[in-house]
Parts: sequence; C-alpha cells; structure tokens
Amino acid sequence: GNSVTQMEGPVTLSEEAFLTINCTYTATGYPSLFWYVQYPGEGLQLLLKATKADDKGSNKGFEATYRKETTSFHLEKGSVQVSDSAVYFCALSDSGGYNKLIFGAGTRLAVHP
Amino acid sequence: DVKVTQSSRYLVKRTGEKVFLECVQDMDHENMFWYRQDPGLGLRLIYFSYDVKMKEKGDIPEGYSVSREKKERFSLILESASTNQTSMYLCASLRRGRDYGYTFGSGTRLTVV
Repeated sequence: GNSVTQMEGPVTLSEEAFLTINCTYTATGYPSLFWYVQYPGEGLQLLLKATKADDKGSNKGFEATYRKETTSFHLEKGSVQVSDSAVYFCALSDSGGYNKLIFGAGTRLAVHP
Repeated sequence: DVKVTQSSRYLVKRTGEKVFLECVQDMDHENMFWYRQDPGLGLRLIYFSYDVKMKEKGDIPEGYSVSREKKERFSLILESASTNQTSMYLCASLRRGRDYGYTFGSGTRLTVV
C-alpha cells in the first residue's frame, strides 16, 4: 500500500543554518505530495505541495521538489529562524482513489538562537 | 478560505462513555476525513467519507464509527471510550479541482479517564 517515510527527529539547528528534512514515499499511480507544519499548540497548516513529477513547491522560504525517479520530496530551507521550530509532516494523497491523505511520522525541528 | 470547525478543543470523558466528536465544513466539499495524532506515529486515518451517507474505514477504525447525514457535517463516534483512545483528533476536508488541497480543523484533544 501507499506509505510515507520521513527522517526521525528531533532535528536541532542554530539560527541561519541550512535545513533538510528527508521524505520518501511508496505509491501506485501519481500521488500529490504535501508538507504540513504544526506549530506548538496549533493545528496543521499546509506549508507547500506538488501535484506532479518535477514540480517544485515553495512557501515562506521552504522548498521541496517532487522527484519521481527517487520517490522523494525532501524539504529544504536555506536559513532557518527560531520561529520555524515546529513539527513537519510529509504526506501523499492517492488522488486516483479516495483521495486519502497518508502521513509520515513527523519530524520535530528545534531552532536555537 | 475553507473553514473546518471542530466543536470542542478539549474533552474529558470517562471510560465506557459514548463520545461524539463533531466536524463541520462550510464549502460543500464531498470528501471529509478523521485522523488521530499520537507522538511518534504521525496522523493515522480512522474513517473517511466521500459523500453523504457514504463512509469507508481507514487504517485504524476499531472502536470508532462515523456519521455523515449532511454534507457539511462529519461526526466521529467512540462507541465505548477507552483510555487507549486518549489522543488528538483532527478532521479534514478536501478541496478538489485547480486548487486541490486539504484543510484541517484545530483538533480536539480527548482525554479518557
């Protein structure tokens, strides 16, 4: 079945460091891919998405490219801020079926001044 | 913007009680979903619905049921609450078409004592 694997956390970085959170997926067909962010005490917010191979999603300085050849959708940011501290979830949608959204386990990011 | 409203932010219930979690969306979306979120496990799909009165089991349906009598409302029911159902419950609604994406409610943190 479809699944998402993302790197375990926590990831601890200093402010202005480069961020990569790895995400790989297993899916039949052509899923859409998402990154969601959850700030402390809040609900899930869509960070970015990509709906087909080679698409790049971007938002708030974060980027991720849909790589079908490596079944990956790694999240990157060139310079993190303390305010980026949150839990990040990679997810895929089996858009050819019931459109179920399937999540990875989440990666906690802590950014220190 | 789509709004997904979950009726309670925090709930405390006793073991054996029947519990209703309500979710309402305001954009006439067909697909709605219930997830539970637990640390280290990400979000797991409990049930989903793709139309009024239509429902499908997700990955962890045991101990839960759902009701979708009107398009805008999707209810999650814990038939007899148990302590292992203490969790954060998140409802989501799917927007199809050009701006394909999921909107989440703020979540209900349920504690079963």
